[in-house]
Amino acid sequence: LAKTTQPISMDSYEGQEVNITCSHNNIATNDYITWYQQFPSQGPRFIIQGYKTKVTNEVASLFIPADRKSSTLSLPRVSLSDTAVYYCLVGDRNNAGNMLTFGGGTRLMVKP
Amino acid sequence: EADIYQTPRYLVIGTGKKITLECSQTMGHDKMYWYQQDPGMELHLIHYSYGVNSTEKGDLSSESTVSRIRTEHFPLTLESARPSHTSQYLCASSESGYEQYFGPGTRLTVT
Repeated sequence: LAKTTQPISMDSYEGQEVNITCSHNNIATNDYITWYQQFPSQGPRFIIQGYKTKVTNEVASLFIPADRKSSTLSLPRVSLSDTAVYYCLVGDRNNAGNMLTFGGGTRLMVKP
Repeated sequence: EADIYQTPRYLVIGTGKKITLECSQTMGHDKMYWYQQDPGMELHLIHYSYGVNSTEKGDLSSESTVSRIRTEHFPLTLESARPSHTSQYLCASSESGYEQYFGPGTRLTVT
C-alpha cells in the first residue's frame, strides 16, 4: 500500500469549510484513495473514495489533482459533531488481498 | 447501515482469565478483521479471515487467537489475559477488503 502523509491535527469553527490534504507521492496506477472517519470510542466509518478529479457525496467532497500525488477531503460547513479523526488510505480496491493501514490520521477539532 | 455486532461492549476482568470477544455480521461478507487500538493511537490489524476456515495473523503481534467456523461469526480469544491486553478491540467485515464496516468495539480492561 502506498504511504500517506496527512496533518496530525486541525482546528476549525462551526460553519466553516474544512480541507484536509493527504500526500501520497508513490501512488500506483491501480490505487484508489479512500477516507475514513472515526468518532471517539467508535470504529472507523468509510466516508468517500475516488480515483481522479472530484467525487462528492452527502458527507464530503474529495478532490484529486491530475498527478494524483495528493488528495483533499473537503467537509462543508462543519458542525461540532464532525469532530473526529480522519484517515486517508491508498490502495488497489480490486485487490482481493487488500488490507488497510490506517496510520495516525488527522484529528479534527471543531469549536463553537 | 452495516450490520456488525460486538459483545461485550465493555469488559473488566482479572489477570489470567480466559476471555472470548464476539463479533458477528449479517451481510454475508467473506472478509473479516480484528483491530486493536489504544486510546488516541493508531489502529493495528491483529487478525483477518478471507472465509470459513481461513485465518491469518496481522501486522501487529498478538497473543490472541481467532476462529472462523461460520461466515457470520469471527470470535477472538485470549487464553490468559494480562494487563498489557488492555485496549479497544474493533471487528470489521468487508466484501471487497477495501470498504470495511466496523463494529462498535469492545473496550477491555485487565486488572
